[in-house]
Amino acid sequence: DAGVIQSPRHEVTEMGQEVTLRCKPISGHDYLFWYRQTMMRGLELLIYFNNNVPIDDSGMPEDRFSAKMPNASFSTLKIQPSEPRDSAVYFCASRTGGSKLFFGSGTQLSVL
Amino acid sequence: SQKIEQNSEALNIQEGKTATLTCNYTNYSPAYLQWYRQDPGRGPVFLLLIRENEKEKRKERLKVTFDTTLKQSLFHITASQPADSATYLCALGAGNTDKLIFGTGTRLQVFP
Repeated sequence: DAGVIQSPRHEVTEMGQEVTLRCKPISGHDYLFWYRQTMMRGLELLIYFNNNVPIDDSGMPEDRFSAKMPNASFSTLKIQPSEPRDSAVYFCASRTGGSKLFFGSGTQLSVL
Repeated sequence: SQKIEQNSEALNIQEGKTATLTCNYTNYSPAYLQWYRQDPGRGPVFLLLIRENEKEKRKERLKVTFDTTLKQSLFHITASQPADSATYLCALGAGNTDKLIFGTGTRLQVFP
């Protein structure tokens, strides 16, 4: 299995631009999580899905952030408009009924 | 508010010694606790899970303890090796939610 696949690996954009991060979970996993990691705040849970349905989005910082999961093999996290304080590494993770998470390699986002 | 604390300062130890990392939590009643390893530029990788009714768990050179009275978990790496150098994250999960909340991590450096 290829594991959780995220794209792009690196994204550099200017303030005000729309950013879309993509994730392909491990086949057969029915949970998908989006986390954001910064030096100051560590790994923060943004939102998670179960069977493609958003269950808890209380960690989404504000309305500029949105996430979708149109099918079991694809999810997106969108930031519109982006701001410099959104600069971080964004991780996608998936799992089955067990609690162990499998993480992707992350997307390093830099908003100038 | 819920808080998970790990030593923010790096832990430096000599090869062959036992490394001990600490995870403390407040205002939380986890059903289980997990430890992950994270290397630079990579996503966290699952190492061990321990449930609230377990005192200790072992896996090869790794040992985890869980004290729900002290609200603390200790993570030990015996006979440490330079290859063990990484950041180690603890994560707590509650029984009534699928969320996994992470600490900020402790960086371990093992010197030859």
